[in-house]
Amino acid sequence: GAVVSQHPSWVICKSGTSVKIECRSLDFQATTMFWYRQFPKQSLMLMATSNEGSKATYEQGVEKDKFLINHASLTLSTLTVTSAHPEDSSFYICSATSTGLWDEQFFGPGTRLTVL
Amino acid sequence: AQSVTQPDIHITVSEGASLELRCNYSYGATPYLFWYVQSPGQGLQLLLKYFSGDTLVQGIKGFEAEFKRSQSSFNLRKPSVHWSDAAEYFCAVDAGGYQKVTFGTGTKLQVIP
Repeated sequence: GAVVSQHPSWVICKSGTSVKIECRSLDFQATTMFWYRQFPKQSLMLMATSNEGSKATYEQGVEKDKFLINHASLTLSTLTVTSAHPEDSSFYICSATSTGLWDEQFFGPGTRLTVL
Repeated sequence: AQSVTQPDIHITVSEGASLELRCNYSYGATPYLFWYVQSPGQGLQLLLKYFSGDTLVQGIKGFEAEFKRSQSSFNLRKPSVHWSDAAEYFCAVDAGGYQKVTFGTGTKLQVIP
């Protein structure tokens, strides 16, 4: 149980376009979802926390107008990278937790974004 | 603010040998502590966690970790490494609400025959 999926697993886009990444909890209701960014050979950096039905809380230094997060339902959160540029290329990972599973985050497999 | 240090960026061990991955944290009280494993191109899988109680924690895949308050450490151990253990390992801390997990920079484990 407690499976989180991400789609797509990888995406290549042109500079200036927008890309949407989906994060789904498949077998539980995710009251909170997290979005992380991982640079090559580096750790995961928390970008934002989203609670279902509420606006996301962004970490310091993360541009909320650039990284739009929507958590419209208890099983789906989306991250949209707007007007993507090469420096946005990274591995984006989501995780989800639930009030019934408060002591563990379940991570998705990640999405590799390459901006040309 | 909480922080996590994994001093070893890369470790190579022979298959069947024992393993210890180091993790030190900085936080005023006892945080929640985690070890995760990430295989190439994969998400993170929780190996084990410590919240309170017994300082020696057993996890999946034969891993264990010991919380040492006096040393602010939470080292991960395995008595006999298998080739399938080759991956990147992340230590993480949560200062107490499971909302702000801070990850270490990771230790990449290579297993040689």
